[in-house]
Amino acid sequence: EAGVTQFPSHSVIEKGQTVTLRCDPISGHDNLYWYRRVMGKEIKFLLHFVKESKQDESGMPNNRFLAERTGGTYSTLKVQPAELEDSGVYFCASSPQWSTGGTDTQYFGPGTRLTVL
Amino acid sequence: AQRVTQPEKLLSVFKGAPVELKCNYSYSGSPELFWYVQYSRQRLQLLLRHISRESIKGFTADLNKGETSFHLKKPFAQEEDSAMYYCALSHSYAGGTSYGKLTFGQGTILTVHP
Repeated sequence: EAGVTQFPSHSVIEKGQTVTLRCDPISGHDNLYWYRRVMGKEIKFLLHFVKESKQDESGMPNNRFLAERTGGTYSTLKVQPAELEDSGVYFCASSPQWSTGGTDTQYFGPGTRLTVL
Repeated sequence: AQRVTQPEKLLSVFKGAPVELKCNYSYSGSPELFWYVQYSRQRLQLLLRHISRESIKGFTADLNKGETSFHLKKPFAQEEDSAMYYCALSHSYAGGTSYGKLTFGQGTILTVHP
């Protein structure tokens, strides 16, 4: 079974440009999460999709970030315009189902390293 | 607000020595605690979770609600245990809606010397 995949693995852009990150979760997983690790800091939650709906976007830093999940399959995270402080590693994770009474294991992708110059 | 604290950024031990990676949390509800590990050039993966109460790769972790801790322990460290370890917390309502988002600690880099 293929794991969570992310594209690209690395992206180097200049301040003010736009970048779109993509995440393909494990097939059949309803839950999709985006996290970010800025250098020297902890991994922080950005948002959570349940199928195609945004369940929780409390971690999105500002309106320069836009996440979508078309048809409840893959997800994109667009940063427009990018700023220097957006540099970091962006992780995607997925888990099987929106269940009650517990938390499914999250399976992480390899991450996308974004560098904004 | 929920918070996870890993006081040690770096931890070095020799092969065969016991190792303990500390994790403390603050949360007002009923937390679920996890340890995730990232080996060199690999993705972040679940090591163990407190509700499973199992030992993975010789590691164990006990949730101590009184001390709000979830320390990770292994009696005899191996070189292949060298990795970045993250303690994480997820809010969970028993019998209700679950929230899967994770709050991570800053991570501890464990190095096991031969």
